[in-house]
Amino acid sequence: SQTIHQWPATLVQPVGSPLSLECTVEGTSNPNLYWYRQAAGRGLQLLFYSVGIGQISSEVPQNLSASRPQDRQFILSSKKLLLSDSGFYLCAWSSLAGFADTQYFGPGTRLTVL
Amino acid sequence: TQLLEQSPQFLSIQEGENLTVYCNSSSVFSSLQWYRQEPGEGPVLLVTVVTGGEVKKLKRLTFQFGDARKDSSLHITAAQPGDTGLYLCAGRVSENTPLVFGKGTRLSVIA
Repeated sequence: SQTIHQWPATLVQPVGSPLSLECTVEGTSNPNLYWYRQAAGRGLQLLFYSVGIGQISSEVPQNLSASRPQDRQFILSSKKLLLSDSGFYLCAWSSLAGFADTQYFGPGTRLTVL
Repeated sequence: TQLLEQSPQFLSIQEGENLTVYCNSSSVFSSLQWYRQEPGEGPVLLVTVVTGGEVKKLKRLTFQFGDARKDSSLHITAAQPGDTGLYLCAGRVSENTPLVFGKGTRLSVIA
């Protein structure tokens, strides 16, 4: 069966510090991978998605970046965190690019920037 | 601009009551999904609807996709405390576009 892992589960970082969140998927090949941010009262905002190694699409301009160094690994990074980067970060994967594919979400990382 | 509008934003009801939450848009969707999210966890898919007018039932939950594929509703019969959570609708305008999520309806069922 497929599983998706995210770490760390919780993170408190000072403004201006770097960030690296990691997501890995097991039990599937060539998944589509996604990074979302969920801020209070603002729903899920798609940040990045990837359909293959080295292929990253950015949905919103920001000081975050994403990389996919391996087929089942997706990394979210920042060189300098802002207060507005606080939120709940969710990684997800899907197996199809078709119109009815299911997205499977990881457990999330709660990021607080102070 | 929010592509998918969900209402109500918050809902608190007593156990045993019925409720309906809505997901509306001015855009046509090729498919629409409903997810439930519990605090501190990722969303979990409940259902996918793809045909205008389609109705799907999942135990006490009934999902309907509007005839014009612009809106959807979720009806819960005899709500239970275990139904508490954030209900999110998500739609895809076409095959090659990512899912777009609404802001969700936060449901609280009180025993």
